[in-house]
This record gives sequence, structure tokens and C-alpha cells, in this order.
Amino acid sequence: NAGVMQNPRHLVRRRGQEARLRCSPMKGHSHVYWYRQLPEEGLKFMVYLQKENIIDESGMPKERFSAEFPKEGPSILRIQQVVRGDSAAYFCASSLLTENTGELFFGEGSRLTVL
Amino acid sequence: GEDVEQSLFLSVREGDSSVINCTYTDSSSTYLYWYKQEPGAGLQLLTYIFSNMDMKQDQRLTVLLNKKDKHLSLRIADTQTGDSAIYFCAESPPTGTASKLTFGTGTRLQVTL
Repeated sequence: NAGVMQNPRHLVRRRGQEARLRCSPMKGHSHVYWYRQLPEEGLKFMVYLQKENIIDESGMPKERFSAEFPKEGPSILRIQQVVRGDSAAYFCASSLLTENTGELFFGEGSRLTVL
Repeated sequence: GEDVEQSLFLSVREGDSSVINCTYTDSSSTYLYWYKQEPGAGLQLLTYIFSNMDMKQDQRLTVLLNKKDKHLSLRIADTQTGDSAIYFCAESPPTGTASKLTFGTGTRLQVTL
């Protein structure tokens, strides 16, 4: 499967725990984006990364949220000390380095539920 | 600002045409997109249009862009039950990261028999 792979698909955490969401981009893609979809809302941009660099994190909450895209391995979105308001679907998308149409390829999302 | 607005719900009969509308505020957007989201799934790109175009047709899909009114529409001809999904329009910024999209809230299309 050459698509964007996200795991876990579903994650349940209690308040105060940590959540780690992983994303492997499409083969050959070096740009990764994280979006959050709250219930009954559209997707909101969180962060844009290239290998070992955060390019744009203007959509990330200032506290508890972090993202990385290491030289090897998947991109990780980490949420520390989760609260109920973090319950959402988190989508990863990737694009080609040379792509200039802005076309994104999305994964199936990771649905986080905070109890 | 960058606000993209859509109506929340649309119901059509199978075989009819569906028209999903979207308005945006950033007149400098480079590309405008339509994505489809089926239940429990990620977003699938349906089509996109460059901002200097008025229309784009792709099989059953027709996209119309009115830059003056900042209005984008997606027409689905001969709507099928498999078209039932949430449809999001999105715009890319005029500068900076092309793929940092701003999405609308989505229109839920229900296709009835």
C-alpha cells in the first residue's frame, strides 16, 4: 500500500495521559502535514514538516502539542497531558517535494478519544 | 482573513444533479479544491481548479469558479448512492506553503432512492 499510513486508527486515553500519533507519508513524499478535525467541523491546519525540520507550526496549540519528522521513521504528533477537548480526528497528509499544485494525499486519520 | 463557508447539508434523489456551493474570502488563493470524506475515512481529493480558470469538467464532476463573487461550486451529474459523503472545499494560500489548506466546514450530501 503506497498511501499515507497512520496509526493507531483509534486511541483512547484518560485525561492527563500522553497520546502519540504516527504517520508514514506516501513513498517519495518529503512533506508532511497534520490537520485536526473536531466533531462536526472542517479540518484545521496544525503543522507542516519536512525531514528533520518544522516549517510551519502556526496551527499548533502553544502547550502540550509537539510534532517531529525524523530523518528515519514516521512523523509523530505528540499530545501531552491530554484533555477532553483534544478528542478529535487527527489527519496526516503528504505531498511531493516538487508538487506545486498544493495537492495533498491524506491518511485515514487517527481518532483520539479522551475519557 | 481566510474563512471558507459551506452549507451543512444537501439531500438529492439518485439520478439527479447535486450542486454544492462554497464561498471564500481570500481572493488571492492560488488553487481551490474539492475533497470527499466518506464515513470513518480520510479525505480524498476529487478535483481542483487553478484560480485563473472559470470551469473545469472531469467526468461527472463540474467545478465552477466565480472569482468576482469568491464563489466555488461542485456539480455532480447523475448522483449515485455512492456519492453520499461529506464534501469539503479548500483553498491554498497565495504565498507561502501551497499545501497549507484552509477547509470549509463541509457539506453532507445525502442521496436518496
